[in-house]
Amino acid sequence: ILNVEQSPQSLHVQEGDSTNFTCSFPSSNFYALHWYRWETAKSPEALFVMTLNGDEKKKGRISATLNTKEGYSYLYIKGSQPEDSATYLCARGGNNRKLIWGLGTSLAVNP
Amino acid sequence: GAVVSQHPSRVICKSGTSVKIECRSLDFQATTMFWYRQFPKQSLMLMATSNEGSKATYEQGVEKDKFLINHASLTLSTLTVTSAHPEDSSFYICSARVGRTGPHQPQHFGDGTRLSIL
Repeated sequence: ILNVEQSPQSLHVQEGDSTNFTCSFPSSNFYALHWYRWETAKSPEALFVMTLNGDEKKKGRISATLNTKEGYSYLYIKGSQPEDSATYLCARGGNNRKLIWGLGTSLAVNP
Repeated sequence: GAVVSQHPSRVICKSGTSVKIECRSLDFQATTMFWYRQFPKQSLMLMATSNEGSKATYEQGVEKDKFLINHASLTLSTLTVTSAHPEDSSFYICSARVGRTGPHQPQHFGDGTRLSIL
């Protein structure tokens, strides 16, 4: 994988559903993996930065895991709420310290 | 905390005009700021890394004479699109890291600027 890839591209869930998305990235020369939430008409908001293989981080109902050996990270949202509707971006930092961004997963939570 | 203000939020102007976009860290000092561009249905693409008191580092393919970056203080970086043409129409967004933290720390973003060149 040369680029950062996110799947699915978009997702529609019902309020209360739990959901998860995937971020796949080149595993070589890995430095850090960032997750951001970007709501329409607002600025991207940092959720997590993970650096170690096996890292798990949690912020309220949102959590993320990291596998640097196989090059993927999962973002989980438990009990989705309408306010969780946003685009979720991941970005990979390599040895050059620059972030390479995925296209994002657009989440819509229906009340 | 860690609020970044970017303005203007939208610019519509004629071809040949130069446009300046400001990015300010309101409640923290930012040694490093980043300028990104996003075309429709594409990912954020880093244009340049702006370092306070020194020249910006431009990414391959980004013309430094076209996109002038100035980071004269620890709270302000500006991007000037010189003699803008329709192909420069895009969404430009800045971000900053707190202090001298490294890439293992999050970036804090402005709201972005939608630039439309007629």
